[in-house]
Order: sequence, then C-alpha cells, then structure tokens
Amino acid sequence: EPEVTQTPSHQVTQMGQEVILRCVPISNHLYFYWYRQILGQKVEFLVSFYNNEISEKSEIFDDQFSVERPDGSNFTLKIRSTKLEDSAMYFCASRTSENTGELFFGEGSRLTVL
Amino acid sequence: GQNIDQPTEMTATEGAIVQINCTYQTSGFNGLFWYQQHAGEAPTFLSYNVLDGLEEKGRFSSFLSRSKGYSYLLLKELQMKDSASYLCAVAAGNKLTFGGGTRVLVKP
Repeated sequence: EPEVTQTPSHQVTQMGQEVILRCVPISNHLYFYWYRQILGQKVEFLVSFYNNEISEKSEIFDDQFSVERPDGSNFTLKIRSTKLEDSAMYFCASRTSENTGELFFGEGSRLTVL
Repeated sequence: GQNIDQPTEMTATEGAIVQINCTYQTSGFNGLFWYQQHAGEAPTFLSYNVLDGLEEKGRFSSFLSRSKGYSYLLLKELQMKDSASYLCAVAAGNKLTFGGGTRVLVKP
C-alpha cells in the first residue's frame, strides 16, 4: 500500500539552528500539507501546497518557515532559526484532490529544540 | 475560520459501545472526517461524511447533520486496542482543521 514517508523520525537541535524536515508524498497525490502537534495538544495546520506553490498557510507559518518541492518527489519543511516552542511532532500529509478524499499522514518527524 | 468541539476524554468497558460527539462551526464545508491516533503515532483515517446520515464501516459508524453542525463517531464491541484519541476534522477550502481529540480509554 502506498504511504507517505518522512525523514528524520527524530531530530534534536540547538535553538537558533536551521532544520529541514523531508517528506515523500504518495506518488499520484497532488496536494501536500504540513501539520504539527505539540505534545499533548491538537494537530494544527501549518501549510498546504499545490502546483508548486503555497495555497494556504496558518498564522503559525511565519517567515521562519518555508516549504519547497525541489525535485518533484520530495516535499520539505524548513525552519530557519528554531525556537524552543518549535519542539513538536511534524506530520506531512497528502491527498489526491482538494476538496474530497482523506489525508494520508506520514509517521511524523519529532523535533526537539534545546 | 473553524471551531470544533469534542469531549476531552471518555472511558468505556471492553465489549461496550461508545459515542463520541463533535460539534463544529465553519465557513465553507467539504466534509467531516474522523481519525484515530494512538499515542506517539500519526492519525489514521476512519471515516468521511459529506452528506447527512449514517455511514457504517464494520464496528465503526459515523453520523453527520450539516444543519446542526454535528457529527458523532460510534464505536461498537469495544476492544482494548481501541484505546486511542479520536480526532474530528472539518474540511473547508483545501485543508482539514482538527478538533482537540477525544481520548478513549477502554477498560477490561
């Protein structure tokens, strides 16, 4: 069964460092997402991406965050200068169409900022 | 924006039935999803409702009333492995917005 894959599964970094989280969405999917979940809290939308551009972003997704799809398969989330409060599980997700169909989630990348 | 409410926690006995309610207010509506999330894992899809009524899938059923902004997830014949968080999510525009989740604890 096709799946969304994410790397790394866990990253520990120092405050102020740049972090790149990588995702390979399901191959025939067109819409890609990043969500985050701080420990014990709800799953929060960060950004959606379609046709090589951001289609929607939340207020969490400030100038410290960026996404790109550099090679047609990988979908990356970059955090330029990490803060303690960026510590969370980051989930990549993809779906076939904009309005219908389930979101398929990757296993997540746990980011710990020290 | 979206506002989604569901109970924080529920406890039930193995073999019993539990109903998890979700109320929502949204601008734009493309459907309501239920996901299951075990601790430390990714959410996994359970059900999708876009029209009013009941969708049944094995031990799990989901109901939607769009006019009332209300859905529920019904879990029948509870098993210990059903202990998890159940997330209600509203689709609007091109994203899903999740509620806080309901943690269900199944006791023997």
